[in-house]
Amino acid sequence: EADIYQTPRYLVIGTGKKITLECSQTMGHDKMYWYQQDPGMELHLIHYSYGVNSTEKGDLSSESTVSRIRTEHFPLTLESARPSHTSQYLCASRSGRTEAFFGQGTRLTVV
Amino acid sequence: AQSVAQPEDQVNVAEGNPLTVKCTYSVSGNPYLFWYVQYPNRGLQFLLKYITGDNLVKGSYGFEAEFNKSQTSFHLKKPSALVSDSALYFCAVRDLILTGGGNKLTFGTGTQLKVEL
Repeated sequence: EADIYQTPRYLVIGTGKKITLECSQTMGHDKMYWYQQDPGMELHLIHYSYGVNSTEKGDLSSESTVSRIRTEHFPLTLESARPSHTSQYLCASRSGRTEAFFGQGTRLTVV
Repeated sequence: AQSVAQPEDQVNVAEGNPLTVKCTYSVSGNPYLFWYVQYPNRGLQFLLKYITGDNLVKGSYGFEAEFNKSQTSFHLKKPSALVSDSALYFCAVRDLILTGGGNKLTFGTGTQLKVEL
């Protein structure tokens, strides 16, 4: 089992609310990633980090923001959620030549 | 730029028959290749990887994949499929040469495997 955790697993919120999706890993990995995935569909990289205080936007434009203040923690924030943000969000981490380890995902529904 | 292609959206196979899920890639340097599996409402689980060495890589749950440099392919295979293998499979590539912003993991679009009795 990979030691990477996402909370919450499921979240239903109203339009306009601010939300933060949590991602933590206990493996000491320097690289962390956020992917967005619609049901049964491809993954799109929206944010990544190569270390503390390092964050970059991914291949898919996203209204979300991320921070990396601690190695183990990589939260994703939506300042004002909209129905178009409804999706599954997957967090991953890796280090060196290892494969990426994924969390269980957060399924977000904005109503 | 690196890319991965999974040409089949869905693969159907009868239980007990061999299965193949196709993947081709494009990188500027040497590839670092992966296969992941995803069950409904779950994250991705690592199956196997190729870095260097033998072209035939063995992974979890009886899966294996064959690296073919001349065809730039990394097809996933299993000699005898199980109903429980039904899931979404992703191929991914990373360029071993690139560093910094280029050293990202790029995923294919996924292939839905359906194994029936």
